[in-house]
Amino acid sequence: EDQVTQSPEALRLQEGESSSLNCSYTVSGLRGLFWYRQDPGKGPEFLFTLYSAGEEKEKERLKATLTKKESFLHITAPKPEDSATYLCAVQGTGANSKLTFGKGITLSVRP
Amino acid sequence: DSGVTQTPKHLITATGQRVTLRCSPRSGDLSVYWYQQSLDQGLQFLIQYYNGEERAKGNILERFSAQQFPDLHSELNLSSLELGDSALYFCASSVDRYGGTLGNTIYFGEGSWLTVV
Repeated sequence: EDQVTQSPEALRLQEGESSSLNCSYTVSGLRGLFWYRQDPGKGPEFLFTLYSAGEEKEKERLKATLTKKESFLHITAPKPEDSATYLCAVQGTGANSKLTFGKGITLSVRP
Repeated sequence: DSGVTQTPKHLITATGQRVTLRCSPRSGDLSVYWYQQSLDQGLQFLIQYYNGEERAKGNILERFSAQQFPDLHSELNLSSLELGDSALYFCASSVDRYGGTLGNTIYFGEGSWLTVV
């Protein structure tokens, strides 16, 4: 069974203080690893898909990287508007294409 | 805006009742997924439909059922509701090129808040 573990559960940063969010996963065969951002009471918003170890993707202050066991979401010089819950999910190579999610990391950026 | 539409946005109902949640997927998407999100459980996969057929089942209770119609919209039916069923229910959709080696990006709606009292 696919499993995703995210750490830490919560992270508080000062504006401009860079950090990384960790996602560890086990999956029988990786079709894709996904990062989503979720604001309170809203639906998850798609950020990135990573397909193979060594791949990196960037969007504004966010950069996602992938190894065979982990993914990192690096946040450079965060702003208060980056405060949200960041969700990691894996999609395995099965007949279905469901995502298995971690519990998320709640990021709070103080001005 | 992801393009996935869910109704109703909020719903309050009594224990023992039955409700129906509705979802319209993004234009062109054949797969519809239903997820439940509660504070302590995170996002839990319930069920997936692909082009009208059930493709995968997750942790869906027997009191819950879903279907996907010929126009690809989907409904999630929740019956004999209990207090513990209070949660955010998300619908998501993807193109789902079955058999492809690359992942299918799944886009989520804004959710239906269900409160059982």
